Amino acid sequence: EVQLLESGGGLVQPGGSLRLSCAASGFTFSNYVVTWVRQAPGKGLEWVSNINQSGDRTHYADSVKGRFTISRDNSMNTLYLQMNSLRAEDTAVYYCARRQTTVNTWGPVDFWGQGTLVTVSP
Amino acid sequence: EIVLTQSPGTLSLSPGERATLSCRASQSVSSNYLAWHQQKPGQAPRLLIYGASNRATGIPDRFSGSGSGTDFTLTISRLEPEDFGVYYCQQYASFPLTFGGGTKVEIK
Repeated sequence: EVQLLESGGGLVQPGGSLRLSCAASGFTFSNYVVTWVRQAPGKGLEWVSNINQSGDRTHYADSVKGRFTISRDNSMNTLYLQMNSLRAEDTAVYYCARRQTTVNTWGPVDFWGQGTLVTVSP
Repeated sequence: EIVLTQSPGTLSLSPGERATLSCRASQSVSSNYLAWHQQKPGQAPRLLIYGASNRATGIPDRFSGSGSGTDFTLTISRLEPEDFGVYYCQQYASFPLTFGGGTKVEIK
């Protein structure tokens, strides 16, 4: 059974830092592109960041570029999101998600974790 | 950036009725790399449709997707009680990945 389990969320002050983790199981993690998507309270979905299978290609939304860093440890089957210089507008549930991946294509998100809540407030 | 606009914002329907949801892109989505996700309150989203018209594993055949280029449609042929929730389209043709604002399907 595919599982993505996020952790590391919580309350942090503006300007602070937090590191999210996502533990993957039930599939060969190193074969898949993975991504972070967030959802502010009562709002829609917003893509945050993406990393390829080996971890040497990353992409970021403009809203987090320069502040957030995505990384992965394939030996530990874990995805990370280091979040620095946090702002109130970063408050959201952060979902770890797997992307449908083949040799030649990066497909849609095909499996979502349950999410972890990050609250940025004084 | 490809902006996705979903309509209507809310759809009020009864079980058994047909639901038609629209997703319009600001520019052509190459290779029809357009997906639909369903989200119920308090839950993570779930992939329904990818490649504009391909049902994901385990998705009932009352869900169907169509369209190409800039105009896409999700159709639920006969609404079941468990189908009520919010539906998002997503393009994965180019970065940044983008989502539509969602269509809420509610019980009339």
